[in-house]
Amino acid sequence: AQSVTQLGSHVSVSEGALVLLRCNYSSSVPPYLFWYVQYPNQGLQLLLKYTSAATLVKGINGFEAEFKKSETSFHLTKPSAHMSDAAEYFCAVSRPSGGYQKVTFGTGTKLQVIP
Amino acid sequence: GAVVSQHPSRVICKSGTSVKIECRSLDFQATTMFWYRQFPKQSLMLMATSNEGSKATYEQGVEKDKFLINHASLTLSTLTVTSAHPEDSSFYICSAREDRVGSYNSPLHFGNGTRLTVT
Repeated sequence: AQSVTQLGSHVSVSEGALVLLRCNYSSSVPPYLFWYVQYPNQGLQLLLKYTSAATLVKGINGFEAEFKKSETSFHLTKPSAHMSDAAEYFCAVSRPSGGYQKVTFGTGTKLQVIP
Repeated sequence: GAVVSQHPSRVICKSGTSVKIECRSLDFQATTMFWYRQFPKQSLMLMATSNEGSKATYEQGVEKDKFLINHASLTLSTLTVTSAHPEDSSFYICSAREDRVGSYNSPLHFGNGTRLTVT
């Protein structure tokens, strides 16, 4: 079975500080990994995805994530936090199931940005 | 970009009534759509996979007679919560993956969700 674990349900950073949201995966096959962001009372928006190409993936809004097979990690980073980054972030893994890809989400990390 | 429209965004209904939620892919076709449920401060739980022209596939523990799914066209899936009860109050989100070559592992496009409150 494939799954993702997000360490830390809440992360607080100061505006302008580095953002680091952690995600570890377990997978018996090369995984497809995603980061999504959710603003209050809204659906999810894709930040970035890893599909076995480059290990360092750049996404929208200045976010990036690095796939590290040796550490089974796919941590999300942003060099300088902005107030508008305050949201909930979900790491997800995609796996084949019954002829299609089923996406499993982590438990989410709520990011708070302090002015 | 691909847009998924979900309607209504909020609905309040009385216990015992039924509520229908629509999920439309506006600028792409989607043979497969997914319905998720999200409890407060929790992650998304997959309820069922909706397949155009065939029966939906429900996850373990999800009552198919209570959560009726109809995927009548390549751009529309509906979720009907039948005989709703207060414990059905939740945030329901649909998603879709575009039908195109190489989309097997392409990301999902999400609707903005429906906040259901059953009184």
